[in-house]
Amino acid sequence: GAVVSQHPSWVICKSGTSVKIECRSLDFQATTMFWYRQFPKQSLMLMATSNEGSKATYEQGVEKDKFLINHASLTLSTLTVTSAHPEDSSFYICSAKNKGISNQPQHFGDGTRLSIL
Amino acid sequence: RKEVEQDPGPFNVPEGATVAFNCTYSNSASQSFFWYRQDCRKEPKLLMSVYSSGNEDGRFTAQLNRASQYISLLIRDSKLSDSATYLCEAAGNKLTFGGGTRVLVKP
Repeated sequence: GAVVSQHPSWVICKSGTSVKIECRSLDFQATTMFWYRQFPKQSLMLMATSNEGSKATYEQGVEKDKFLINHASLTLSTLTVTSAHPEDSSFYICSAKNKGISNQPQHFGDGTRLSIL
Repeated sequence: RKEVEQDPGPFNVPEGATVAFNCTYSNSASQSFFWYRQDCRKEPKLLMSVYSSGNEDGRFTAQLNRASQYISLLIRDSKLSDSATYLCEAAGNKLTFGGGTRVLVKP
């Protein structure tokens, strides 16, 4: 149980393109989803917390206009990297927590490798 | 100071040896604790929850010290496949992850 699906797994596109990444909780409802970014050989960095039906909470240093987050339902959050540039190339990972269970771990998606040429 | 801190390592461990490392947290209101394992170029996966009384899962033992505000992970009889980065989470008022401890098990 507690499966999180992230799509796409790989994206290669030209500089200036906007890229949308989807994160779905397949068998549970997630009031809150989290978006992380990880550069090679670095630790996982929380970018933002996505709350269903309200605005996302961004961590310090993360541009909200650059990284648009939409959490329209209890099972889907999307991250859009707008006008992506090579420095945005990274491994993006989402996670979710089950709405109905307290004190539970995060369930991670498989991640999305974004390469901007 | 970060809310959750881990020794980044790497811990170089001979195969079959025991290795242990800690994760300190600053938020005393943290209520639940977890260890995750992250392999290179993969997403983190839950290794085990950490319970107040300590818990064991095969070769892995997790403990919580609320007074000193840290959790620990001990790996016995290390296998080559245990090589990974181990992340701790101290959840509660705010989602907080440590930066991870890298473990390299060598023959």
